[in-house]
Amino acid sequence: GAGVSQSPSNKVTEKGKDVELRCDPISGHTALYWYRQSLGQGLEFLIYFQGNSAPDKSGLPSDRFSAERTGGSVSTLTIQRTQQEDSAVYLCASSPGTSGPSYEQYFGPGTRLTVT
Amino acid sequence: KQEVTQIPAALSVPEGENLVLNCSFTDSAIYNLQWFRQDPGKGLTSLLLIQSSQREQTSGRLNASLDKSSGRSTLYIAASQPGDSATYLCAVSARSNDYKLSFGAGTTVTVRA
Repeated sequence: GAGVSQSPSNKVTEKGKDVELRCDPISGHTALYWYRQSLGQGLEFLIYFQGNSAPDKSGLPSDRFSAERTGGSVSTLTIQRTQQEDSAVYLCASSPGTSGPSYEQYFGPGTRLTVT
Repeated sequence: KQEVTQIPAALSVPEGENLVLNCSFTDSAIYNLQWFRQDPGKGLTSLLLIQSSQREQTSGRLNASLDKSSGRSTLYIAASQPGDSATYLCAVSARSNDYKLSFGAGTTVTVRA
């Protein structure tokens, strides 16, 4: 079946503009995670959804970052007033959550964001 | 806070050699451990997942072991091929942490033809 998809695959934006990144998880997966991979740094956790609620937003780097999930499916990560340090690859992963035995996470191809 | 370390950071071997990639983590209260492969400019491909109750998992030429008590995992790739060239990432999750993954920095592997 279809894997996790993300759009756009690449986004170049000017400093100060807002951007929206989209994630379509695997159908039926209740858990959804956003991670960020910056150049020269490892992968860092941003936010986690169980269904439509986000019990853990601890990884969001500032209040310019927000995310929502609707219908227990698609999630959107929004970055307001982008800064150059926001340039990174944003990865989304989904997991069966409580309906799966292993909580294995399946990753999308990522969105490469470049802020000029 | 869980810290995940991967050694070495980079590895270059001739084709046919076996690869040994190491991962260590500071908090042994993990739920599972995943090994991923990442090609340049691409997302993550899951290679193997080991539950905390398991000692190893195998898939083709890949074998991953887990020693939870000592906080270590090793990924073995037998008879390496140039197509194995990639960055390999280790990540652990914990029930207490909503299963979010804590990643190591990765080992970049180059297999020379």
